[in-house]
Amino acid sequence: DAGVTQSPTHLIKTRGQQVTLRCSPKSGHDTVSWYQQALGQGPQFIFQYYEEEERQRGNFPDRFSGHQFPNYSSELNVNALLLGDSALYLCASSSQIAKNIQYFGAGTRLSVL
Amino acid sequence: DAKTTQPPSMDCAEGRAANLPCNHSTISGNEYVYWYRQIHSQGPQYIIHGLKNNETNEMASLIITEDRKSSTLILPHATLRDTAVYYCIVRIGANFNKFYFGSGTKLNVKP
Repeated sequence: DAGVTQSPTHLIKTRGQQVTLRCSPKSGHDTVSWYQQALGQGPQFIFQYYEEEERQRGNFPDRFSGHQFPNYSSELNVNALLLGDSALYLCASSSQIAKNIQYFGAGTRLSVL
Repeated sequence: DAKTTQPPSMDCAEGRAANLPCNHSTISGNEYVYWYRQIHSQGPQYIIHGLKNNETNEMASLIITEDRKSSTLILPHATLRDTAVYYCIVRIGANFNKFYFGSGTKLNVKP
């Protein structure tokens, strides 16, 4: 158990809808990263939050947005869902003090119909 | 970040050592090598990481070549529970870093 909690575990949406995924980092961690993992592929970096700001971003459109709260938890929002957004969404937390290791949650499985 | 190359799959007999190779020929001097594994439909699990020296922990050993262009993850006594996809990642050990995952190696441990 990595101590990173994601909710919900599964989600079904239809095209054009919006979705919000949530992540609570491991205790003592202040940095949250989000990844998208399509079936049969490795995780792809979406963005990373620290001090409630987006610090780095991967090659994802603006439909993907996020937020980090003062308690370090984070949300991932996806607007105007496409069929291709169906994937496992992973949250990883780390600490800027012990900044080398990211711990992953179990993920949220999103299905877009 | 440097890209990595791993074989798509490997087999290993239960109880034997599993040696998983990774090529990272474009690695920079300040980039670390990390290994994670992912058991089906779960989140990736941290295994080990290193910069230039060989590393060992309770899960595995990491051997990095002197020129740092390749590394090997060693699971000394593989069990059926070690069946997973293993990812080799290189990353700058600095703030606001991100991991680039490749396709990984699917390790099949067989009885």
